[in-house]
Amino acid sequence: GENVEQHPSTLSVQEGDSAVIKCTYSDSASNYFPWYKQELGKRPQLIIDIRSNVGEKKDQRIAVTLNKTAKHFSLHITETQPEDSAVYFCAPLNTGTASKLTFGTGTRLQVTL
Amino acid sequence: NAGVMQNPRHLVRRRGQEARLRCSPMKGHSHVYWYRQLPEEGLKFMVYLQKENIIDESGMPKERFSAEFPKEGPSILRIQQVVRGDSAAYFCASSSPDSREQYFGPGTRLTVT
Repeated sequence: GENVEQHPSTLSVQEGDSAVIKCTYSDSASNYFPWYKQELGKRPQLIIDIRSNVGEKKDQRIAVTLNKTAKHFSLHITETQPEDSAVYFCAPLNTGTASKLTFGTGTRLQVTL
Repeated sequence: NAGVMQNPRHLVRRRGQEARLRCSPMKGHSHVYWYRQLPEEGLKFMVYLQKENIIDESGMPKERFSAEFPKEGPSILRIQQVVRGDSAAYFCASSSPDSREQYFGPGTRLTVT
């Protein structure tokens, strides 16, 4: 099965700074790369995703970049705000052989004032 | 368009009792996934179902756990003879047949006393 790792496991930034979270995966055939945000006690929410035929995707303050050769993709959050504080999970997927998401270990982001 | 619905939101059971968790997918979604999240951990896949069919149950414990998604009504995750280690948040997600995007319900928090 897919092995998924995230770094760092915790990240503290000041409001207005940028945050970057990296996700490394093992299945070279993975072709769908979502990021989920989970606030304390809440459901995971899909915030951005990218397909393997695209190297980068941006949605306002959030972007995802993909390096298929190195088998990693990263979440970038610019101009961080306190409401960005949450746990972020990556969940790469090989849509050809599986439908279940294999979640990374999570990154706890704390945005301080 | 209502999102994924789960009930109950909180469930308390004594050891040895049965727990039934319900999930109604988003309108137009016929694929349902169940995930379990232990405290301070990531989400782990349990089972993937389509109407009247279990597609992938590779994450389900071999005993005491079962799932169904009947032609009519919600998907149900059933845990028999619960033990303290079953205490967790159980999330359901749904997707449409032509998309890999999974949307999560609010979860059921099961506490076994």
